[in-house]
Amino acid sequence: GAVVSQHPSRVICKSGTSVKIECRSLDFQATTMFWYRQFPKQSLMLMATSNEGSKATYEQGVEKDKFLINHASLTLSTLTVTSAHPEDSSFYICSARVPYGLEGSDTQYFGPGTRLTVL
Amino acid sequence: AQSVTQPDIHITVSEGASLELRCNYSYGATPYLFWYVQSPGQGLQLLLKYFSGDTLVQGIKGFEAEFKRSQSSFNLRKPSVHWSDAAEYFCAVGAGDFGNEKLTFGTGTRLTIIP
Repeated sequence: GAVVSQHPSRVICKSGTSVKIECRSLDFQATTMFWYRQFPKQSLMLMATSNEGSKATYEQGVEKDKFLINHASLTLSTLTVTSAHPEDSSFYICSARVPYGLEGSDTQYFGPGTRLTVL
Repeated sequence: AQSVTQPDIHITVSEGASLELRCNYSYGATPYLFWYVQSPGQGLQLLLKYFSGDTLVQGIKGFEAEFKRSQSSFNLRKPSVHWSDAAEYFCAVGAGDFGNEKLTFGTGTRLTIIP
């Protein structure tokens, strides 16, 4: 149980275009999802916290207009990188949390990640 | 603000040998601590977690970790490694009411297993 998927696993796009990444909780409803960014040989950095039905909370230094997050349902959150540039190339990882009170709610379950390359 | 330090970037261990991966944290209150493993093409998998109680925590795949408050450490151990343990290991500290809100990760330790 507690499986999280991401789509696509890899994407290459041209500079100036927008890219959407999907994060789905496959066997549970996730009221909260998180988006991380991982640079090569570096740690995961939390970008934003996404709550179903409300606006995402962004970490300091993350441009909310560049990284649009939508959490429209209990099983789907999307991250859209708008007007992507080469410096946005990175590995983007999402995680999801089981609602409080349910088994497993003390843990974040991670997706496999999406490799974004902007040319 | 919380922080996590994993002093070892890369560790090489022979198959069957014991393993210890170091993790030091900085957090103002009682920490929620986690160890995750990341394999290529797969998401981070939770190995074990510490919230309170017994300071020696048992996890999956034969891993254990010991919380030492006096040393601000949460080192991961395994008595005998297998080739399949080769991966990237991340220590993390969690904030929030249940420690699962803002996870702060260390930079990771890459484990290589030699025959």
